[in-house]
Order: sequence, then C-alpha cells, then structure tokens
Amino acid sequence: GAGVSQSPSNKVTEKGKDVELRCDPISGHTALYWYRQSLGQGLEFLIYFQGNSAPDKSGLPSDRFSAERTGGSVSTLTIQRTQQEDSAVYLCASSFPSGGGSYEQYFGPGTRLTVT
Amino acid sequence: AQSVSQHNHHVILSEAASLELGCNYSYGGTVNLFWYVQYPGQHLQLLLKYFSGDPLVKGIKGFEAEFIKSKFSFNLRKPSVQWSDTAEYFCAVNTKAAGNKLTFGGGTRVLVKP
Repeated sequence: GAGVSQSPSNKVTEKGKDVELRCDPISGHTALYWYRQSLGQGLEFLIYFQGNSAPDKSGLPSDRFSAERTGGSVSTLTIQRTQQEDSAVYLCASSFPSGGGSYEQYFGPGTRLTVT
Repeated sequence: AQSVSQHNHHVILSEAASLELGCNYSYGGTVNLFWYVQYPGQHLQLLLKYFSGDPLVKGIKGFEAEFIKSKFSFNLRKPSVQWSDTAEYFCAVNTKAAGNKLTFGGGTRVLVKP
C-alpha cells in the first residue's frame, strides 16, 4: 500500500474487555514498531519487530500487553483486561531494516483507544 | 538510556516570524536525530533527519536543523513561518546501542497566527 495503515481508527471499550489493534506496514518494510501517544506520557516506544521476531519488547507497560507479527507483514497489538490508563493513541510505524537505526520510520494514522 | 528534552511546550507567533525550537538529548555515543511534525488531524511526518556528515540539515517546507555535538543539541529553525506551520513538533533520537526504537521529546505545540 501507499502508507502504513491501522485499524480501527477509533475504539471505545469497557474496562476489563480485551482489544486488538491492527497494523499493516508499508510493503517491503521488514521493521515494524508500536508506540503509544498519551497526554501524560507523550510518545512512548512499546515494541519493535524485525521480521516476525521481537528483539525489543522493553516498552510494553505490563503483561496485559502483547503483540505478534505474522508473515513479516501485519501486526496485532492486544491489550487484555483494559484499564482506563490504557486510553491513548496507539501508533504503528515501519521502516527498512537497519541495525544502526538509520532509516526513517513511517507512521500510520493511529488507533485512538478509549477505555470507559 | 537516552532521553530527549524539548524546552518549549507551547509557542505562539505571527506569520513571517522566525521559529526556533530547542531540542537536547542525553547520550554519550553516536546518535541519529530526527524532527517529526504532526499537523492537526494528521499523522506524524518526518521533517528532517541527521545521521552523519554536514551538521546543518535541510528538510521539507523550509525547515532546517543544526546538530551541535558539544551541546548535545539539534535545534529546529525556520526563517519565516506560515499559518500552515501550525502543528506539534517532536524531536527524536535513536542509537545503535538501543536498537531502532525512537525516543521522543515531549513535543512543542506551535500556533502561527495569521
């Protein structure tokens, strides 16, 4: 596709429910990243995939958060037993692979998650 | 671990004024530096980046930034802003040691009055 796409664009869920957020990276980009943008915390890194493996999960805030990537393409971020503090915009980005990080990351439009 | 600080949270200025946004990072090794912009209702877009070479980097829409290694700074500048530059601006850094993840500053909201 032309850019990184994410779905849904908006998600409202009740506290305690599970949610799945989807990211479709730019074709040919093997690196995929999840970030979270919230009022109190700014933009925070969550997890990084290179292909289907996740060498860096250091930003996941709790074990309620998990992510997977299949076929080196689509990724799903799952939040179990959602809490109100999970409300944020979840951003996905993709790039060409680089051990030195010297490739631009292209961001998707984000999924706005609201936990009521 | 690296960190990034942006000195101004909000900036208000008039069209044709000059803009300079401060960005400082803390990391002793080699860094890659970025400025991203988020226009109202749009997603993050790259303005410019620095990996190596000339420390004065030119980006899109007339923006430029200067990497000053001795000051751990990467300030963003534009000589004459337009109303369409109203947006939130984020400085970011990544390092080889920390992998590819971007560490962002807190952002600066810029409002350009027509």
